Amino acid sequence: EADIYQTPRYLVIGTGKKITLECSQTMGHDKMYWYQQDPGMELHLIHYSYGVNSTEKGDLSSESTVSRIRTEHFPLTLESARPSHTSQYLCASSESPLANYGYTFGSGTRLTVV
Amino acid sequence: AQTVTQSQPEMSVQEAETVTLSCTYDTSESDYYLFWYKQPPSRQMILVIRQEAYKQQNATENRFSVNFQKAAKSFSLKISDSQLGDAAMYFCAFENGGSQGNLIFGKGTKLSVKP
Repeated sequence: EADIYQTPRYLVIGTGKKITLECSQTMGHDKMYWYQQDPGMELHLIHYSYGVNSTEKGDLSSESTVSRIRTEHFPLTLESARPSHTSQYLCASSESPLANYGYTFGSGTRLTVV
Repeated sequence: AQTVTQSQPEMSVQEAETVTLSCTYDTSESDYYLFWYKQPPSRQMILVIRQEAYKQQNATENRFSVNFQKAAKSFSLKISDSQLGDAAMYFCAFENGGSQGNLIFGKGTKLSVKP
């Protein structure tokens, strides 16, 4: 069973809509991450956080934004969804240092923008 | 810059046979950690095995083992007695051991298991 939860699991939404993808973890991990992944393809880091009120952009430029007001919660928001945002979004968390267990991943949100 | 390379986009193995997935990395660090992750179709990514660079002994987890060659910067994953449930994307990942480090992932290898 997962200790990191992503909702919704699947989402189909119209162009121009604002959406928030939820990610919560119960492990007290300081570090959290968002990855974008097309099915069967490589992972692209889009955002990460090292703790409350800390957010950074990742390697892949993204039109999404994130916030980290509570340790356990790391939501990702798209202000105006476009078909190019269609992808799978994976949330992950880790303790610091992460070497002991690496990352724990959520089940992902499969987003389709029509 | 630290990089992770998985040179096999796809691999196939017969059920009950053994398969080896390749991974190489580039770093100037001496202390770091390496991981293999498994992502089954439409399912959660899970940690398969990890290796600490300062340990010479290769890590083993049941049917999964690694061949860690530090000088060659190579970290291959061997799956013995392959099962249908082993079919998945496998990602190699590297972390430099610092408290501010993030995992660096390879592009993945898609493993198919034939019955």
